[in-house]
Amino acid sequence: NAGVTQTPKFQVLKTGQSMTLQCAQDMNHEYMSWYRQDPGMGLRLIHYSVGAGITDQGEVPNGYNVSRSTTEDFPLRLLSAAPSQTSVYFCASRGPGTSGRGLVADTQYFGPGTRLTVL
Amino acid sequence: RKEVEQDPGPFNVPEGATVAFNCTYSNSASQSFFWYRQDCRKEPKLLMSVYSSGNEDGRFTAQLNRASQYISLLIRDSKLSDSATYLCVVNEGAAGNKLTFGGGTRVLVKP
Repeated sequence: NAGVTQTPKFQVLKTGQSMTLQCAQDMNHEYMSWYRQDPGMGLRLIHYSVGAGITDQGEVPNGYNVSRSTTEDFPLRLLSAAPSQTSVYFCASRGPGTSGRGLVADTQYFGPGTRLTVL
Repeated sequence: RKEVEQDPGPFNVPEGATVAFNCTYSNSASQSFFWYRQDCRKEPKLLMSVYSSGNEDGRFTAQLNRASQYISLLIRDSKLSDSATYLCVVNEGAAGNKLTFGGGTRVLVKP
């Protein structure tokens, strides 16, 4: 399994440009999510999806759109990039994992991240 | 007040020493708790769950104190490879849809 993959790894945009961050997982997980990580602030949830055709807003959804047409793919679209969206973006899917004593029901598997700079 | 708070560190730890740090959470209805590890410029990865009765995995021990609303992580016999940022994660939703991440505690293990 490739796990969770993200493209691109790096991106520089100018203010006002739009782009789509791609995310795919091959673990057949229903739950997928997008986070952004900024220094000292932890990961903050942007949008999430509990299955194909179902999406919902997280903590910081403004300026972003998502769609979930298939179980595998969960793209994140920046509508009109702003410098405040400079961040590292992580896509994640959730499914069973193992830790310590055994099966953990809700392990988050993260993609490698996209480093976005908006000038 | 942040929902999940951690001392950002860094904790400078001599190789072979023990280090421990806490994470406090504000929502008393939180359901489950985890520690994730994040290496520099990498994605977070699950380190261990935190059970009510505690959880030990090799050199790592996690504890939960519901009364005082904090979880802890202790690392014994620290290795250079333990250098990382440790993220506290709290699941506040019954459906598991509300994971809140702390800002992370940075640990630097030095020879």
